[in-house]
Formats: sequence, structure tokens, C-alpha cells
Amino acid sequence: DAGVTQSPTHLIKTRGQQVTLRCSPKSGHDTVSWYQQALGQGPQFIFQYYEEEERQRGNFPDRFSGHQFPNYSSELNVNALLLGDSALYLCASSSGLKETQYFGPGTRLLVL
Amino acid sequence: DQQVKQNSPSLSVQEGRISILNCDYTNSMFDYFLWYKKYPAEGPTFLISISSIKDKNEDGRFTVFLNKSAKHLSLHIVPSQPGDSAVYFCAASYTASKLTFGTGTRLQVTL
Repeated sequence: DAGVTQSPTHLIKTRGQQVTLRCSPKSGHDTVSWYQQALGQGPQFIFQYYEEEERQRGNFPDRFSGHQFPNYSSELNVNALLLGDSALYLCASSSGLKETQYFGPGTRLLVL
Repeated sequence: DQQVKQNSPSLSVQEGRISILNCDYTNSMFDYFLWYKKYPAEGPTFLISISSIKDKNEDGRFTVFLNKSAKHLSLHIVPSQPGDSAVYFCAASYTASKLTFGTGTRLQVTL
């Protein structure tokens, strides 16, 4: 039973560029949430997708956008990258309204 | 506004002893609480959770206690093992699945 997978594992970009991160949820899960974890901090909620729609959104600018596909996989897009966007980006999946989220290994993004 | 706080950045415990990790929250709307463990270069791993209708939940060596009046929860690990050395995050939720995390406590279990 595959857990949550994310790609790529590491990424280096320069300021102003755009990036797309990908996530496949755990088998049987239909809800995907994205989090940003800066060094020394806990994960911060970015947004959540369910039934291909953004269901909830945290305090992140519109430069952060996402998408969920019919197979429940999801993408996180960040435009006009800033140095402060350097972080570990975590994807978590859950089954509908169930509270327990299971996390992937993350994508470490470095913006130079 | 840090709604979930873990005031101890680190904790060192001897193998075989009890580890107690603490977490405080300020938002009384939170009704579901979780603990995650995180190793370097990995995503958080779910450990145990508790609903606000309970005050205790056990799973093997892990027990979570919830004190709603004090807005405090704790994770007890008995007995502690070297493999338990990791960063532990407390998280809280009051809507379907949006989690608010603390800043984490680094647990080191020594031989």
C-alpha cells in the first residue's frame, strides 16, 4: 500500500521563477492538503483540495495556487518566487472529512 | 498569533524512562488534537490523536492526555527508546482537516 508520494525531492530555483510541486495521495484518500515548513518552525497550512476544488486556504498570497486532478493527485504552483519561499513543502492526504492526515516526505525548495 | 505552543524546544531522557512532551493551545474552538513525529529528511509521521470529548487516549507506549480547561495536552512515551529520538509536533484542528502545528520539541533518548 503506497503512502503519500511527492516529487521532486529537491529543487533549486532563482528569484522570480515559477515552480510546480506534485503529490500523489495515499491509496483510498481523496483529500490533499499542502503545508510549508520553514527551518525551525512547524508546518503552516497553505490550502486543501477536495473534489478538485480548493476547500480551505491559509494565510498565503495568491502567488500560491494549486490543482487537484480526477485521480486525487495534486499540484502546488508558486509564481514569482521570493527568497523567503525557501522551505520544505509537505503534502498530506486524508479520507474525506476524517481528521488524520498522512504526510509525504516533502519537497525541499531552495530559492537563490 | 501562535495558537499552538510547544514551549520546550528540546528534551533529553534516558532510555527506559518516561518522556513527557507538552503542548498548549489558545483557541477554544479546537476539537481534535494530534501528535506527529518527524525524523530529518522525512515527512511527519502520525503517532496518536485525541478528540475533545475524551481526556485520554492510549496506543501502545504512547498516551495522550487532554486537559480542556487548561487548554493543555501532553504526550507520554513509556518506556522511551533510542528510536524515539526525533522532533515531535503537536497539531490541532477545528475544521475538517486544517491542522495548526506547534513549533516542535526535539526529543533525545540517551543510553
